[in-house]
Amino acid sequence: DGGITQSPKYLFRKEGQNVTLSCEQNLNHDAMYWYRQDPGQGLRLIYYSQIVNDFQKGDIAEGYSVSREKKESFPLTVTSAQKNPTAFYLCASTRGARGFDGYTFGSGTRLTVV
Amino acid sequence: GESVGLHLPTLSVQEGDNSIINCAYSNSASDYFIWYKQESGKGPQFIIDIRSNMDKRQGQRVTVLLNKTVKHLSLQIAATQPGDSAVYFCAENSGGSNYKLTFGKGTLLTVNP
Repeated sequence: DGGITQSPKYLFRKEGQNVTLSCEQNLNHDAMYWYRQDPGQGLRLIYYSQIVNDFQKGDIAEGYSVSREKKESFPLTVTSAQKNPTAFYLCASTRGARGFDGYTFGSGTRLTVV
Repeated sequence: GESVGLHLPTLSVQEGDNSIINCAYSNSASDYFIWYKQESGKGPQFIIDIRSNMDKRQGQRVTVLLNKTVKHLSLQIAATQPGDSAVYFCAENSGGSNYKLTFGKGTLLTVNP
């Protein structure tokens, strides 16, 4: 079955650490996205990539970094510069130019600062 | 700027009743709209979509209505079941080469047995 996989499901970060969240899709989707969701809130866009080796900042990119070296993978690094990283992180993908029909989401990673 | 908002943050219904969740959007250039369902601790799931050349679309127990005149979107769920309890988000896309969705804050639907 095709899908989008996020790992780990739960992640704990100590103050000052960088952590990387994994997102892999086997849907042959061109575009991938990272969103942050805080309790009782909507989804805020962190970064997105519409093609391999290219990505753009979203609305809340400060303190985060990404890479898109492979079509299937779009890892998100939460750096120590992100002062309030505790949140639920969602990765999504879409066909993009080959027929946009919304996003397929992963199951999320819950990041907690300890 | 672009925004998608919801009229009601919470909605509580009895099992078997019909539910209506509303959404207002402000970008008149948006031409594609989606409703997502998000259960606690999970990623959002696609429910139904509609393009701006339509004003109504039906799925299994769900109907989406689009009123472009007042920039309003609604999701109707027929015979609501306990498994429908979740947060529902509307999302909009303004088309062209922009494949980003703008999401509303969501409505929490609680179905009472």
